[in-house]
Amino acid sequence: GAVVSQHPSRVICKSGTSVKIECRSLDFQATTMFWYRQFPKQSLMLMATSNEGSKATYEQGVEKDKFLINHASLTLSTLTVTSAHPEDSSFYICSARDGGDDNSPLHFGNGTRLTVT
Amino acid sequence: AQTVTQSQPEMSVQEAETVTLSCTYDTSESNYYLFWYKQPPSRQMILVIRQEAYKQQNATENRFSVNFQKAAKSFSLKISDSQLGDTAMYFCAFMKYGGSQGNLIFGKGTKLSVKP
Repeated sequence: GAVVSQHPSRVICKSGTSVKIECRSLDFQATTMFWYRQFPKQSLMLMATSNEGSKATYEQGVEKDKFLINHASLTLSTLTVTSAHPEDSSFYICSARDGGDDNSPLHFGNGTRLTVT
Repeated sequence: AQTVTQSQPEMSVQEAETVTLSCTYDTSESNYYLFWYKQPPSRQMILVIRQEAYKQQNATENRFSVNFQKAAKSFSLKISDSQLGDTAMYFCAFMKYGGSQGNLIFGKGTKLSVKP
C-alpha cells in the first residue's frame, strides 16, 4: 500500500476560494517533499520542493503566492491553492523520499483531482 | 537543462507478447539516474525500474528490462509476456546524481494498452 497519503483525492471548489491539499508520509519522516502538477494527458511537472522548517523552493513560473506550501512537521506538507481559478484545475501529486540518499525509495501519493468551477 | 522525450504517445500490444517503449534524454551530467514509472487508471505512480548511469549492465525486474545506451542517451523499456494489468501510462524520468532527493524530470508518457 501507499506510504504517502494524500488528501483529499478529489475536490471541487468555486472560483475565488482556497483549497488545501495534504501530503503525509506514513511510517517515515520526510524533511523534503515534492509537489507535482499533471495536466490531462500530460506529464508531471515539478511545482515546488517543500522543506521542513523552511521556505519552499518553487520552480520557475510557479507563483509562490498562489500555491502556498507549508511543511510544518516531518510527516506533513500542505499545498494551498489560493484564490483558485478554473485554469488551476488539474491533478496534483506529492512525493517524499524515505531516506536521505539517492538510493532511498521515492514514494508518491495517490494525487488530488482539483476542479475549480 | 535536462529534457526527457517519449516519442510514442500510445502503443498497444497483445497479451503475452513483448513491447518496447522508447525514451531519449538530454543532459550534460555524467552521473544520473533513469527511471520508468507506471501510472495506472488509479493515478498512483509506481516505480517499475531504475538504472544508475554509471552502471553498464542493464537493469531488469522480472518481466521488465531496459536497454540503456548512455552514449546515445537512450533508455527504452521492454515488457515481456505482457499482462492485462500492464495497461497504464508509462513515464520515463531523469534525476541528477546527488543532492536533488527526488527532483524528477518526466517525459510526456506513453499510454500502453494490453489487449486480450
